[in-house]
Amino acid sequence: QSVLTQPPSASGPPGQRVTISCSGSRSNIGGNTVSWYQQLPETAPKLLIYMNNQRPSGVPDRFSGSKSDTSASLAISGLQSEDEADYYCATWDDSLKGVVFGGGTKLAVL
Amino acid sequence: QVQLVQSGAEVKRPGASVRVSCKASGYIFTSYEVNWVRQATGQGLEWMGYMEPNTGNTAYAEDFQGRVTMTRSTSTGTAYLELNNLRSDDTAVYFCARGTGADSFYYHLDVWGKGTTVTVSS
Repeated sequence: QSVLTQPPSASGPPGQRVTISCSGSRSNIGGNTVSWYQQLPETAPKLLIYMNNQRPSGVPDRFSGSKSDTSASLAISGLQSEDEADYYCATWDDSLKGVVFGGGTKLAVL
Repeated sequence: QVQLVQSGAEVKRPGASVRVSCKASGYIFTSYEVNWVRQATGQGLEWMGYMEPNTGNTAYAEDFQGRVTMTRSTSTGTAYLELNNLRSDDTAVYFCARGTGADSFYYHLDVWGKGTTVTVSS
């Protein structure tokens, strides 16, 4: 059972916009910034968003993040087939004193 | 370029120990924490803990307390994960990842190794 809650799956046709949610509590999302990771099949996770809404160099601006209170969201616009991957949210948990992840959301581009 | 290169796959018997290495390059090894994250087949990411290369200080997730040790060699820029008393449910891919952020408020994992598969089987 993951500390952060994500929907197990999401989908959309090419070109559409999809949003993935991540729900937590005051001790984690409520008190710290959120990062998002993309994991393509059979590869290591890759940092997609950090500090709620910042993109590392090289990440397309089709990817955006937001946070409100104890929840966060990842939005992907202009869906492309190469976006098919697992997406994880993460943050620091002040009570557990460590990094916590969401259970992951598998994105299908139909 | 900044990268973390991990050691090769391991097969261990239940009750044994495993040590996985993670060699850093392209940045100052002692300036960033090294985290360990594992992923069982078809499952999500599980944070195991981190080690501060500058001091050797560690923080372990509660689920691994007493069974895990994270160390480093500053001379070679290599971090190590040792997991003892292996069980079949320790079978997973183990990733090292660089931790960054001014403090826990901003903490994130910006560079990842490719992963090391550890199989525990009798």
